[in-house]
Amino acid sequence: NAGVTQTPKFQVLKTGQSMTLQCAQDMNHEYMSWYRQDPGMGLRLIHYSVGAGITDQGEVPNGYNVSRSTTEDFPLRLLSAAPSQTSVYFCATGGLGTGELFFGEGSRLTVL
Amino acid sequence: SQQGEEDPQALSIQEGENATMNCSYKTSINNLQWYRQNSGRGLVHLILIRSNEREKHSGRLRVTLDTSKKSSSLLITASRAADTASYFCARGDTGRRALTFGSGTRLQVQP
Repeated sequence: NAGVTQTPKFQVLKTGQSMTLQCAQDMNHEYMSWYRQDPGMGLRLIHYSVGAGITDQGEVPNGYNVSRSTTEDFPLRLLSAAPSQTSVYFCATGGLGTGELFFGEGSRLTVL
Repeated sequence: SQQGEEDPQALSIQEGENATMNCSYKTSINNLQWYRQNSGRGLVHLILIRSNEREKHSGRLRVTLDTSKKSSSLLITASRAADTASYFCARGDTGRRALTFGSGTRLQVQP
């Protein structure tokens, strides 16, 4: 079992470019989410999903899109990257009950 | 922001000493969780305490929850150099699946 797999691990973009961060899980979890982690600010929720075809916004959704076409995958899209989106992004999954989350290893994004 | 507050922001102790980290919050919670993050890695779940529990143990970890004061503490006993990491509290708000994380405590355990 791979658990939660994020790709790529590192990415450098220029302002205005677009890209997709991938998240795949093999734990059959209904709940999937994306967080960003910035120094001194902990983790902030971007978007989340409670099942295929269902997504919702978190605390900081602007500039990001998500979709959930399968249980396993939850990609995060940056349509027009900005320097303010330089951060470490984490995908986290879990069952629908309010229990623990399982995290990927993170994707470090730099926007120049 | 609805994030909780953690203190201290940083803590440096010697091996064998105990480490205590505190977390405060403002909303009604279903549970309070603690996570550990080693440098450059993802977060790993340590322990979950429900709103109707007051204390929970797991190995060298002891977590307390005081819902009247809206606060929780994580105690690591007999710390080891390998405990060096950042520790985050995360609250599970009532009626909401998403977790809200605090800003974390950086723990350095000197060998």
